[in-house]
Amino acid sequence: EVHLLESGGGLVQPGGSLRLSCAASGFSFDIYAISWVRQAPGKGLEWVSSITGGSERTYYAASVKGRFTISRDNSKNMMYLQMDSLRPEDTAIYYCAKVDVWYFDSWGQGTLVTVSS
Amino acid sequence: SYVLTQPPSVSVAPGKTATITCGENNIGSESVHWYQQKPGQAPVLVVYDDRDRPSGIPERFSGSNSGNTATLIISRVEAGDEADYYCQLWDARSDHPGVFGTGTKVTVL
Repeated sequence: EVHLLESGGGLVQPGGSLRLSCAASGFSFDIYAISWVRQAPGKGLEWVSSITGGSERTYYAASVKGRFTISRDNSKNMMYLQMDSLRPEDTAIYYCAKVDVWYFDSWGQGTLVTVSS
Repeated sequence: SYVLTQPPSVSVAPGKTATITCGENNIGSESVHWYQQKPGQAPVLVVYDDRDRPSGIPERFSGSNSGNTATLIISRVEAGDEADYYCQLWDARSDHPGVFGTGTKVTVL
């Protein structure tokens, strides 16, 4: 059974940094792309970033490009999202999701990031 | 880049059919996927590649995609189907390829 567990969320001041982690199990981690999707309070889903299985390619939403960095460690079945220069509008639940031919077939339960002074 | 427009809300009586649309110019040329999200829960994939269902998803959920509209149909609606539904596609030609629709709240009367 696929299992994804996010961690690293919390309260951070505007301009600050945070690193999210996603621990994966139950599938061949290194052959699947993984993504981050976020949801601001009371709002819809927003795709944030994706990384291919071997880290050959990374993709970012326009709203986070240049501020967020996605990476993965296949030896540890872990994926990360380094978030810098955080803004209040980055406040959201961040989900990691396994990708199968560019749809999200399994999701974690999410971690809450709050950007506020 | 794509902007996927969904109706904000759809109301349906139990046992009836709910139809949720996802509109964008020439969306029929892309593969569209659909997610269900209940309050306080992570999204769940209910239809992928326009019309395929993951294992465990009831046959009551079906999809189609043609022209400028992709559609999710929920037949014989049950109270447990009340949720938010989102369409999604991957625009491989874009620098920012992941796209979600605006979301539709399905209310079971």
